[in-house]
Amino acid sequence: QVQLVQSGAELRKPGASVKVSCKVSGYTLTGLFMHWVRQAPGKGLEWMGGFDPEDGETIYAQKFQGRVIMTEDTSADTASMELSRLRSEDTAVYYCATIHYYGSGSQYYFDYWGHGTLVTVSS
Amino acid sequence: DIQMTQSPSSLSASVGDRVTITCRTNQSISTYLNWYQHKPGKAPKLLIYAASSLQSGVPSRFSGSGSGTALTLTISSLQPEDFATYYCQQTYSTLPTFGGGTKVEIK
Repeated sequence: QVQLVQSGAELRKPGASVKVSCKVSGYTLTGLFMHWVRQAPGKGLEWMGGFDPEDGETIYAQKFQGRVIMTEDTSADTASMELSRLRSEDTAVYYCATIHYYGSGSQYYFDYWGHGTLVTVSS
Repeated sequence: DIQMTQSPSSLSASVGDRVTITCRTNQSISTYLNWYQHKPGKAPKLLIYAASSLQSGVPSRFSGSGSGTALTLTISSLQPEDFATYYCQQTYSTLPTFGGGTKVEIK
């Protein structure tokens, strides 16, 4: 059974950066396709980016382009998401999630999720 | 980007009620649509994938239908544990997007 264990809550000042990690257990990271989703207080789910196996590259939502970097340390089975130039609107719970393909092309869904990491941006 | 509009944004219903949530898109997504249930403090849970396929372990009172630009999630008989927020998600485009969510509350 795949489990995704995320790092703990973070408090940052505006303009700073934060790095959230997501450790895989019960499987190896190399066999998974990791994505990141966030939820701001009172708002809905928002996809941030993730690995696209069709292109072999990490893709990002346009909103976060230039401000987010998603990386993987396969030796530690740990994925990370670093968001820079933080502003108060980045206060949110950040989730890592793996995708499962049920068909060809973009026929997939998010199956395993981390428990979420609260990032608070406040001066 | 594909824009997704969920309706209603919230609803109040009683145990045993039939509930229908609609997801509309600004371009056809065929059946590249998933539905998730999200409760406070927990990770989202997949209910339906490919518009109408029930995820293993999900009660049969949940069903999905539709294709193209209008898809629906139906709960045939609302149970106490179903009070939550529901999201649709399209994966038709390279950049997946979620609908705004529908909060189902107790009447």
